[in-house]
Amino acid sequence: KQEVTQIPAALSVPEGENLVLNCSFTDSAIYNLQWFRQDPGKGLTSLLLIQSSQREQTSGRLNASLDKSSGRSTLYIAASQPGDSATYLCAGGSQGNLIFGKGTKLSVKP
Amino acid sequence: GAGVSQSPSNKVTEKGKDVELRCDPISGHTALYWYRQSLGQGLEFLIYFQGNSAPDKSGLPSDRFSAERTGGSVSTLTIQRTQQEDSAVYLCASSLARGGDYGYTFGSGTRLTVV
Repeated sequence: KQEVTQIPAALSVPEGENLVLNCSFTDSAIYNLQWFRQDPGKGLTSLLLIQSSQREQTSGRLNASLDKSSGRSTLYIAASQPGDSATYLCAGGSQGNLIFGKGTKLSVKP
Repeated sequence: GAGVSQSPSNKVTEKGKDVELRCDPISGHTALYWYRQSLGQGLEFLIYFQGNSAPDKSGLPSDRFSAERTGGSVSTLTIQRTQQEDSAVYLCASSLARGGDYGYTFGSGTRLTVV
């Protein structure tokens, strides 16, 4: 059974810092991986989708990588801003369903 | 519409009552998923629909939960005889197809409170 773990559970950084969020999964048969952002009381906003043939995706200040052999994905956020404060969720696609981690709650202090 | 639409956005109900939650997926998306997010917990898969195939109900927590999808579009999640532990945010997502290299698009969710 696929399990997804996110470390750290919470992170507080000063504005401008570069940071890395980690996601690990138990089943290397993961097909693709998607990173989401969730603001308090809101739904999920898709940030990046790494498809099966890809190893990384970039969008603006965000870069996500996927290493199936080690069972890991990382989300890199460059030059963090207070507006980046949210909970970040990674989800692995396996046999059709997305399995979610519990998220990393990020707080970027001005 | 341009996104996944869920209604109502908030629902407060008395214990023992039945509730219906609605999801309107992105036009053309054949795959539709329901997830539940309880306070402080991750997203829990409930049920999945793909076209006209039989739904994958493997995540439904009890027989009080059911869902249907009419005409391959709008879906309704029904919770009968609600209990306090059913209080959660219920999220719907749609995708072009199940599996493959298609991302999920989520709605804003329905926050259900059972009192």
